[in-house]
Amino acid sequence: KAGVTQTPRYLIKTRGQQVTLSCSPISGHRSVSWYQQTPGQGLQFLFEYFSETQRNKGNFPGRFSGRQFSNSRSEMNVSTLELGDSALYLCASSLYKGGDEQFFGPGTRLTVL
Amino acid sequence: AQKITQTQPGMFVQEKEAVTLDCTYDTSDPSYGLFWYKQPSSGEMIFLIYQGSYDQQNATEGRYSLNFQKARKSANLVISASQLGDSAMYFCAMREGRDDKIIFGKGTRLHILP
Repeated sequence: KAGVTQTPRYLIKTRGQQVTLSCSPISGHRSVSWYQQTPGQGLQFLFEYFSETQRNKGNFPGRFSGRQFSNSRSEMNVSTLELGDSALYLCASSLYKGGDEQFFGPGTRLTVL
Repeated sequence: AQKITQTQPGMFVQEKEAVTLDCTYDTSDPSYGLFWYKQPSSGEMIFLIYQGSYDQQNATEGRYSLNFQKARKSANLVISASQLGDSAMYFCAMREGRDDKIIFGKGTRLHILP
């Protein structure tokens, strides 16, 4: 069974631009969660999607948004990029909403210049 | 206040020794879950073990066990017979029943010495 895949793996953008990250969950998993990891703030929850609906959201500004498609694939969008958005963005999938066992992808390393 | 506290930023342990990684948590919700994840230098997070607040027994998964002391709000990870491949960052995390978000601790970097 294929694991969680994230594309692209690396991304360099400049301030003010926008970016879209993609996550394909494990086949059959319907829940996708997104996290931001930085050296200063550690791992922080962004949002969780289940069956195309956002069921939970962390404390991030509205520039961070996401969506989930009918095949459970999810995208995360960050608009008007700031230097502080440079981070590793991790996606995790689980069978059920609020699933206890989450499987993480390799992450997308975003650098904002 | 921090909800998940990992007091050991880094640890050095000799190969084959047992390791205990500390984690304390803070919640007033009677329903919660506690997790441990491993993050090698490659960056991918690997799920290790889960303990529910109502579970009577400590969780175990192979060489990993979770020492759950509810009254002390402690959920330490024990790795028996450590191996060089155990060198990684380890994160303790909690999901509270009321809002269902997962909160991570700052992590402990474990170095296994040959």
